[in-house]
Amino acid sequence: GESVGLHLPTLSVQEGDNSIINCAYSNSASDYFIWYKQESGKGPQFIIDIRSNMDKRQGQRVTVLLNKTVKHLSLQIAATQPGDSAVYFCAENMMGYIPTFGRGTSLIVHP
Amino acid sequence: DAGVIQSPRHEVTEMGQEVTLRCKPISGHNSLFWYRQTMMRGLELLIYFNNNVPIDDSGMPEDRFSAKMPNASFSTLKIQPSEPRDSAVYFCASSFGQGGYAQYFGPGTRLTVT
Repeated sequence: GESVGLHLPTLSVQEGDNSIINCAYSNSASDYFIWYKQESGKGPQFIIDIRSNMDKRQGQRVTVLLNKTVKHLSLQIAATQPGDSAVYFCAENMMGYIPTFGRGTSLIVHP
Repeated sequence: DAGVIQSPRHEVTEMGQEVTLRCKPISGHNSLFWYRQTMMRGLELLIYFNNNVPIDDSGMPEDRFSAKMPNASFSTLKIQPSEPRDSAVYFCASSFGQGGYAQYFGPGTRLTVT
């Protein structure tokens, strides 16, 4: 029979626009969250993290927002560039436990 | 630091052959993870070591897979005998502690079993 691949959510944006990638996590006890970027042919790369005692953290061109009430995490990328094209994973974690990865979102940046 | 180092980067082998994948974690990290990534199943955790001791191997597909960590700077993942359905990219990752810390991934080993 025909094999079916893992269909990732896809976000397409124009270069220069801001991108927002969303992630819903499952465990209300999770207290540490990480965003990873995986470019084609490479391993996932750490981008930014946030602990549950914060609701916002900023990096270079990236901002992570955490809403514990609805168990939602988002990654905002400002002035998106073609080099930002990749699959983005969120991971939830707590001390003493193995991180759980989301299924990923594919970001496509059009020049 | 050179980051997590994996070898080989690519491996092509015939069904039935033994395959050994190698990983050198980041110095000072005491947790090591082996993952498998495919288009069909995404990123799957195979096994997790803490202080060189296997903590959770529930993700290891079957007895054909085995992993060792003889010291803090080296780990192997072995498949014997290999099968075509083992074709995937295998990642090693390390982190500073047991949960609550970011994992840092190696570049992966792309395994093709024909």
